[in-house]
Amino acid sequence: QQQVKQSPQSLIVQKGGISIINCAYENTAFDYFPWYQQFPGKGPALLIAIRPDVSEKKEGRFTISFNKSAKQFSLHIMDSQPGDSATYFCAAVSSYKLIFGSGTRLLVRP
Amino acid sequence: GAGVSQSPRYKVAKRGQDVALRCDPISGHVSLFWYQQALGQGPEFLTYFQNEAQLDKSGLPSDRFFAERPEGSVSTLKIQRTQQEDSAVYLCASSLVGRTANTEAFFGQGTRLTVV
Repeated sequence: QQQVKQSPQSLIVQKGGISIINCAYENTAFDYFPWYQQFPGKGPALLIAIRPDVSEKKEGRFTISFNKSAKQFSLHIMDSQPGDSATYFCAAVSSYKLIFGSGTRLLVRP
Repeated sequence: GAGVSQSPRYKVAKRGQDVALRCDPISGHVSLFWYQQALGQGPEFLTYFQNEAQLDKSGLPSDRFFAERPEGSVSTLKIQRTQQEDSAVYLCASSLVGRTANTEAFFGQGTRLTVV
């Protein structure tokens, strides 16, 4: 059962553009929603995270938008750079367990 | 080292062989997790330790999978009689306290297991 659905599967953006990745969840018990960035051959690294009582969180060029009633959240990467090219995973947490989405492979063209 | 260390980085096993994967968490981290990441997929939870206690092993795919953390630090994931479907990257993560919502989970680079 896929508890966190992520789209798109892949994304190509020009340098300086905005990258948008969307996720939806089902379990209302989730209380923490992190985004992870993974480069080839590396483990996932926490990028930014949000709690469900907040509708938006911004850290530098990265913004999470959260819609609790729709059970959806998204990652926006402003001014996308080639160095942002990686796979991005949304996740949801209930207690200690991370439930990951299927990932979005982002390619930022120079 | 400052991060989570996993060894070996790569392991090729013949079908039916037993393998052991090691995880050295960040010093002082109470919680330790194992995840399995199939090619092109997100990591999937396998098991969770709080110190030496295995509190959740609900994600282990079969009784061929066994994990331990006897002294509350280093952990080993053992897979007996490996099958081709076991081929994946096995990720270890650690965090300071139990609730992931309160503290960041740090991942190692993973062990890529290929069963031939």
